[in-house]
Amino acid sequence: GESVGLHLPTLSVQEGDNSIINCAYSNSASDYFIWYKQESGKGPQFIIDIRSNMDKRQGQRVTVLLNKTVKHLSLQIAATQPGDSAVYFCAENMGGTASKLTFGTGTRLQVTL
Amino acid sequence: DTAVSQTPKYLVTQMGNDKSIKCEQNLGHDTMYWYKQDSKKFLKIMFSYNNKELIINETVPNRFSPKSPDKAHLNLHINSLELGDSAVYFCASSQVGADEQFFGPGTRLTVL
Repeated sequence: GESVGLHLPTLSVQEGDNSIINCAYSNSASDYFIWYKQESGKGPQFIIDIRSNMDKRQGQRVTVLLNKTVKHLSLQIAATQPGDSAVYFCAENMGGTASKLTFGTGTRLQVTL
Repeated sequence: DTAVSQTPKYLVTQMGNDKSIKCEQNLGHDTMYWYKQDSKKFLKIMFSYNNKELIINETVPNRFSPKSPDKAHLNLHINSLELGDSAVYFCASSQVGADEQFFGPGTRLTVL
C-alpha cells in the first residue's frame, strides 16, 4: 500500500554541522507534507510544513525540500545543536475534508559534541 | 497554557481489564485524533472526530471506543486489554480545514 518511509533510522551529526534527514513517499496524490520532532517522553512537535505546489520552504534554521518527481522530502537543519537531538518524522496528507496524516518510520538524530 | 493535555501520563494494568484515557484541548479546534505509537516509534492514526462526530476509523478493534462529549474532549476507552495494546497513545487536534495537528504529551500504557 501507500507509505511514507525514511532512508536512515539513525543519524549522528557533530554539533555545529548541518543535518539532512530524508524521507521517501509513494502516494503521488499527497498534497501536504509536514515534519515533526519528538523528544524523549514527549509528543511530536511541529517543525515545518510544505504544500505540493512548492519545492522549498525555510524556517528558522530549518529548510524543507520537496522533489515531487522522485517523491522525496528532506529536512535540513543548519548548525545542529544538542537540543536538536530527537526522533524526526515526516508525514503526508492526501487532502480532502479530513486531515489524515500518514507518518514515516522516524529518524533518530544524535548530536555529538 | 493553551495545549493538548492527556491523563494519565502512565497507565499500568493487567490483561483483561478495561481502562480509559482522557484528552482535552483548549485550542478551540474542531477536530481531534487518537494515535498509537508502538515500541519501534511507528505512529499510526486510530480515530478522528470532527465536532463530536467520528470521521476516521482505521480498522481498530472494537475493544477501542472513542467518546467525544464535546468538541474539546476526546476520550479513549479500551475493553479487555491485551498485551499487544501496550504502546504510547497520543491525542492530537487540528482546526477544520487545516493540516497541522497539535499533539498531546502521550499516555504510556503497559499491559501485564
